[in-house]
Amino acid sequence: QKEVEQNSGPLSVPEGAIASLNCTYSDRGSQSFFWYRQYSGKSPELIMFIYSNGDKEDGRFTAQLNKASQYVSLLIRDSQPSDSATYLCAVRLTNAGKSTFGDGTTLTVKP
Amino acid sequence: GAVVSQHPSWVICKSGTSVKIECRSLDFQATTMFWYRQFPKQSLMLMATSNEGSKATYEQGVEKDKFLINHASLTLSTLTVTSAHPEDSSFYICSARVEAVNSPLHFGNGTRLTVT
Repeated sequence: QKEVEQNSGPLSVPEGAIASLNCTYSDRGSQSFFWYRQYSGKSPELIMFIYSNGDKEDGRFTAQLNKASQYVSLLIRDSQPSDSATYLCAVRLTNAGKSTFGDGTTLTVKP
Repeated sequence: GAVVSQHPSWVICKSGTSVKIECRSLDFQATTMFWYRQFPKQSLMLMATSNEGSKATYEQGVEKDKFLINHASLTLSTLTVTSAHPEDSSFYICSARVEAVNSPLHFGNGTRLTVT
C-alpha cells in the first residue's frame, strides 16, 4: 500500500463544474496535509494546506480533512480551463519531517 | 514571501561531466531543504534532505557519492550531479520551508537536466 494514494486520473470536467480530487494516506499519525498544482514542465505550486478536521476554504478551492477516515480532498468550484493541471497531495508526519507526495491526479477542464 | 530560487533552469551536459544546481531561499532562512527528482509523467521522488551545517540524509536507493549535496548556509543548498549519464536526465526540483508549525514546502522553479 502506498503511503499517499490519489484517485487515478485523468479527470475531466466541463468549465464551470466542480472538480473533486481525493487523497488517502496510510499513517494515522500524519499531521499536515497539502495540495499542490503542477502545470506541465513546471514545478509544483502550493494551493492550500490543512491540518485540522473539517473544511478550509480559499476562494474557489476547498480542502476537506477527515483524520478518522485518513482522507483529504480538494474541491474546485467553477472550474476554469486554467485549472487544467496535475494536482499533488502531500502528507507530512511531523512538523519538521519530509513530505510524502501522491502520484497526482491530472485534471482537464474543457471549455 | 517564502520565495525559493533555483539555478540554472535548464542545462545540457556531456556524459561524464558534473553539473551543479543551486537552490536559494530568498526571503527566509531554511535549516532544511529538500531535493526532488521527477521523470516525465511521474510524481516527485524525494532524493535527499539537505541539512545546514551537516551531512545530507539520502533516501534509499539514491547514491550519495553521485548526488553531492552541500548546505553551507541558511539560504543556500547545492546539488552536484557527478559523472552524469543519460539516465540522470530528469527534472530536479528543490524546496524549502519556513521554520514554523505546519508551514508548507515552497518549490524552486526546477532544473531540467539533459545529459547527452
